[in-house]
Amino acid sequence: GNSVTQMEGPVTLSEEAFLTINCTYTATGYPSLFWYVQYPGEGLQLLLKATKADDKGSNKGFEATYRKETTSFHLEKGSVQVSDSAVYFCALYGGTSYGKLTFGQGTILTVHP
Amino acid sequence: KAGVTQTPRYLIKTRGQQVTLSCSPISGHRSVSWYQQTPGQGLQFLFEYFSETQRNKGNFPGRFSGRQFSNSRSEMNVSTLELGDSALYLCASSLGSTGGDTQYFGPGTRLTVL
Repeated sequence: GNSVTQMEGPVTLSEEAFLTINCTYTATGYPSLFWYVQYPGEGLQLLLKATKADDKGSNKGFEATYRKETTSFHLEKGSVQVSDSAVYFCALYGGTSYGKLTFGQGTILTVHP
Repeated sequence: KAGVTQTPRYLIKTRGQQVTLSCSPISGHRSVSWYQQTPGQGLQFLFEYFSETQRNKGNFPGRFSGRQFSNSRSEMNVSTLELGDSALYLCASSLGSTGGDTQYFGPGTRLTVL
């Protein structure tokens, strides 16, 4: 079946540091890939997505590139802010299971001033 | 455009009771998916509805059920509540035509079972 593996957390960074959160997946065919962010007490917000190999999703300074050869979709940001502190989820839609996203376990990011 | 809304935001129930949660999708969206989020199991898919029909179901017992109305609003019901049902329940809406459209999430309903 489909699965998503995210790097172990939590991740703690200083403001303006570079961020990478690793995400690898297992799926048959050509899944669509997503990053969602969850702030305390809230639901999930779509951060970015990519639907085919070599696509780059980007939003609010975050980027991720769909790498089919390495089955990866790593999230990066060049300079994090305190306001980026949240939980980040990598997810995939496998193309054969209506309406079902498969999520990674989430990575807690804390950014200190 | 208004986002996905969920009511109530918080619920406290006791074991053995039943509960109904409601989800109103983004206008024009016809698919609603439901997820359970717990610290131990993470985000798990419950079921998905499109045009009042359940198209997909996750691996949950029959105590978990749902339905969708003609205006695309959806409800989920949990009967005979157990302590382990304490969780954040999230719904997400999408256009739904392909089954893999981008999902937009509501704020969730926090259910506590005592």
